[in-house]
Amino acid sequence: GAVVSQHPSRVICKSGTSVKIECRSLDFQATTMFWYRQFPKQSLMLMATSNEGSKATYEQGVEKDKFLINHASLTLSTLTVTSAHPEDSSFYICSARDPGLAGADEQFFGPGTRLTVL
Amino acid sequence: LAKTTQPVSMDSYEGQEVNITCSHNNIATNDYITWYQQFPSQGPRFIIQGYKTKVTNEVASLFIPADRKSSTLSLPRVSLSDTAVYYCPLSGGYQKVTFGTGTKLQVIP
Repeated sequence: GAVVSQHPSRVICKSGTSVKIECRSLDFQATTMFWYRQFPKQSLMLMATSNEGSKATYEQGVEKDKFLINHASLTLSTLTVTSAHPEDSSFYICSARDPGLAGADEQFFGPGTRLTVL
Repeated sequence: LAKTTQPVSMDSYEGQEVNITCSHNNIATNDYITWYQQFPSQGPRFIIQGYKTKVTNEVASLFIPADRKSSTLSLPRVSLSDTAVYYCPLSGGYQKVTFGTGTKLQVIP
């Protein structure tokens, strides 16, 4: 299947700083990528839909000025957590669809990024 | 988006067949049913996807009745490495995918 990578796999930062997480589709072009957040022992919560060449669509309750999403190319989407605080500590996961898979609606997930804000 | 309901947890002994059911009473006509497996601190991994009837691949089978209001993931002869959380989100027409609570499967030696 298609491969999605994330970088970094884990990051520790100080409160008030910004952190950028990259999501790449390695062997396909993704016009749409998705960003999820997952707290311990909870399910994945969709944060936003990232569209190549246009603004991201944020889910209700997700601050767009705090979680900046940029989808500048068909293989790269970035999530920047601005002015991070300890409550932003979480597991961030991206996913992408491969438009080349006809008839299917499968998402390919990245390995996730563990963010710890001190 | 249609909501899915699954048992919170299940236990099974090694070597047994495990069936995990997902309810989706309000499934839309263009929704596919997809099952994912997630290990701690990893992204979800695709297991199987179907629209209706039965689908089988090398790791699992997916049974979907005619009314499509539920689906059952069948894992044959589970091993300890199958201990994970299993999700059954619905998706269709390139819309966003919403995950339910998932089922935590614990395989016991």
